[in-house]
Amino acid sequence: EDKVVQSPLSLVVHEGDTVTLNCSYEVTNFRSLLWYKQEKKAPTFLFMLTSSGIEKKSGRLSSILDKKELFSILNITATQTGDSAVYLCAVNMVAGTYKYIFGTGTRLKVLA
Amino acid sequence: SAVISQKPSRDICQRGTSLTIQCQVDSQVTMMFWYRQQPGQSLTLIATANQGSEATYESGFVIDKFPISRPNLTFSTLTVSNMSPEDSSIYLCSVGISGPYNEQFFGPGTRLTVL
Repeated sequence: EDKVVQSPLSLVVHEGDTVTLNCSYEVTNFRSLLWYKQEKKAPTFLFMLTSSGIEKKSGRLSSILDKKELFSILNITATQTGDSAVYLCAVNMVAGTYKYIFGTGTRLKVLA
Repeated sequence: SAVISQKPSRDICQRGTSLTIQCQVDSQVTMMFWYRQQPGQSLTLIATANQGSEATYESGFVIDKFPISRPNLTFSTLTVSNMSPEDSSIYLCSVGISGPYNEQFFGPGTRLTVL
């Protein structure tokens, strides 16, 4: 059965800390992996990863994919209270379609 | 990306009633989807809204319970019929943006509470 597993389920850190969120997957015909940030209702797009070893970076956030070991990590450096959210990982499996399997998410809380 | 709006943003409904959620996109898109996110859970795809034909439902979801319309390439509705408290969820529409790797963007969501 295709699945996406995120860890940890939740995390509490203090401002300035660095966090690493994990997403592992077991799917057939992997196409791409996406990271989203969900603060209230709508997930907002962060990164799309398709190739191993190529880091995507946006400000304090970065992400990388390992297609051999079937996982991705999302790093957030110098965390701020505004980073508090649920971070979702999703995997697109079948070429030519838009359907994704979502992980259960990691709930991050950053304390001032 | 696309600008996606949904309404209502939230609603509280009585058991046995129905609610229609609207999703509007600011540009024509081929693919539109409806997801459900139950409390504490991740996103689950309900169906793909097909323009000009019946929606394609995922396992566990049926048209009688979640009828979907897609009259054109910028608009879709999802109806949650004969609601029960178990239908309390966030309902999200999303769009697929054409490209080699199928990017997907979400609307702001509708928070539904069924009493």
